Amino acid sequence: QQKVQQSPESLTVSEGAMASLNCTFSDGTSNNFRWYRQHSAKGLEVLVSIFSDGEKEEGRFTAHLNRANLHVSLHIREPQPSDSAVYLCAVNTGYQNFYFGKGTSLTVIP
Amino acid sequence: AQTIHQWPVAEIKAVGSPLSLGCTIKGKSSPNLYWYWQATGGTLQQLFYSITVGQVESVVQLNLSASRPKDDQFILSTEKLLLSHSGFYLCAWSLLGVNTGQLYFGEGSKLTVL
Repeated sequence: QQKVQQSPESLTVSEGAMASLNCTFSDGTSNNFRWYRQHSAKGLEVLVSIFSDGEKEEGRFTAHLNRANLHVSLHIREPQPSDSAVYLCAVNTGYQNFYFGKGTSLTVIP
Repeated sequence: AQTIHQWPVAEIKAVGSPLSLGCTIKGKSSPNLYWYWQATGGTLQQLFYSITVGQVESVVQLNLSASRPKDDQFILSTEKLLLSHSGFYLCAWSLLGVNTGQLYFGEGSKLTVL
């Protein structure tokens, strides 16, 4: 079973500074990696999807995937207070099972 | 545009009482449907998935059951709630093929069991 771990558990950054979040997974054969964001007790919104090694940018959100190192990261450029939320890493292969990390709680201070 | 609606938004129930949570997807034909559970401060855990009407696969057993009575409807239920059922329940959908693995979530149902 895929195990997904995220670090750090919580992160505080100043508005405008880069925020970097990390995710490691146990099964390198998975081929779908996504970052979601969850505001308090709300549904999840997808931020960026990445399927091959390298970089994928969606607006201010950039994901980096290194399958050999079992690692995917998310970088948030110029974070704003409205970006304060829990960020979840998700891994899947196919449609049956999706595995999520526990999340990184991001706080952006003005 | 596709929409996903969950109900109720929140419930406070007694231990041993029954529960029914619902989810409706509009604007997509034959989606894959999923139920997730999130304990307070816990990891999002997949409970069930369904790829067609009448067929539901269990991923994690939590003394809950799920049914898909219509193409656009997914129901999560139990006859007797436990304290451990408290948490946040999310319904999601995805499509096979293009962009497989993209989950689209509802707004969730918060359940408190006392």
